[in-house]
Order: sequence, then structure tokens, then C-alpha cells
Amino acid sequence: QKEVEQDPGPLSVPEGAIVSLNCTYSNSAFQYFMWYRQYSRKGPELLMYTYSSGNKEDGRFTAQVDKSSKYISLFIRDSQPSDSATYLCAMKLGGANSKLTFGKGITLSVRP
Amino acid sequence: DGGITQSPKYLFRKEGQNVTLSCEQNLNHDAMYWYRQDPGQGLRLIYYSQIVNDFQKGDIAEGYSVSREKKESFPLTVTSAQKNPTAFYLCASSTRDRGRIDTQYFGPGTRLTVL
Repeated sequence: QKEVEQDPGPLSVPEGAIVSLNCTYSNSAFQYFMWYRQYSRKGPELLMYTYSSGNKEDGRFTAQVDKSSKYISLFIRDSQPSDSATYLCAMKLGGANSKLTFGKGITLSVRP
Repeated sequence: DGGITQSPKYLFRKEGQNVTLSCEQNLNHDAMYWYRQDPGQGLRLIYYSQIVNDFQKGDIAEGYSVSREKKESFPLTVTSAQKNPTAFYLCASSTRDRGRIDTQYFGPGTRLTVL
């Protein structure tokens, strides 16, 4: 079993839809959780990060972490064509080790 | 402008050649990383360095080498020993964000193609 599993996609939704992107993980020692957005042929950009169970909201984006179920989600409300990108979840252990473990990414397409 | 630069954007290599990918950051970050991205594979860590003159192997270091002589620079050499080097290479750097997390910021990437 891989440490981080991400829904494979691709995912296509109409403009205005609510999008739910999900990752599961097997290592209960992961303490920090991130979502990156990557446009085609570009480097990933950090979208959201959190370190505790619960929800964190930033505009149209909400990151949700459930440590008891080892499950994280990213919700996008009122999705826009500009949200079309690949979304990668990433996780990090606590302590001084700064390595991230990434999911494979899911490609989202928002149709006008 | 602060950020991470990678050069070149596109690189073509003949089989048997070594090539070096450049990564420079002016963010004053201590840690730097190299990842490889293949379609459907996500990001895989090649090497990382948490301080100048020190670096560690990641998950797929075979066929690659790095150096970290300056804080702002972390070049990656793809050697002829790397059997399947065609990929998108991403450099990242990180610093502690409010003491809680090492947030990684990525460069724009270099696409390497072996002819």
C-alpha cells in the first residue's frame, strides 16, 4: 500500500459546481497536510496547508483533515474554469525532517 | 522579485551525456529539493539539502548527483547512469513558516528530453 493515495481522475465538472478532491494515507505519523495546485507545464503552487483535524477555509477553498480516518479533502465552491489544473495532496511528518510525501495528483477540468 | 528560478526551461540530451539543471533561489531558504514528475506518477524526491554543504538522497537518487556549495544554489546533474531521464524536473525550497511547517515553494521546472 502506498503511503498516500489520491483519487486518480481525471475529473470534469460544469462551472459553478462544488468539487471534492480526496486523499487517504497510511502513516499515522503524518502531522502536516498540504494541497498544491499545478497548472499545465508549471511548477506546483501551495494552495492550503493545515496541521490539525478539522476544516480550514480560504475563500472558495476548504481543506478538511480527519486524522482518525487518515483522510484529507479539498473542497472548491463555485468552481471556475481558472480552477482547471492538477491538484496534489502532500503530507509531512513532524519534527525536523522536511520531506514531503505527495499523492499522484488529480487533473480537474471545469467546463464553462 | 523573490523566487526560485530554474534553467533551462527545455533541455535535450543525447544518450550517454551528462547534463546539469540549474536551480537558484533568492528567498534565503535553508532547505532545497529536487523532484522528478512523470505522467501519472506524482512528484518523486531525488535529493534534498537542509543546509549548505550537506545533502541526502531521496527516493530515486540513482543516476543523479547534486552539490550545495552556496545557500542559494542547488544544481542537479543527470548522469548517463540514469536509465530513463526524460521527465519534468522541479526544484523547491523551504523555510519554517511561523515555526510550524516547512512550506515548500516550487520553481517553474525544466523539461528534459533524451533523444
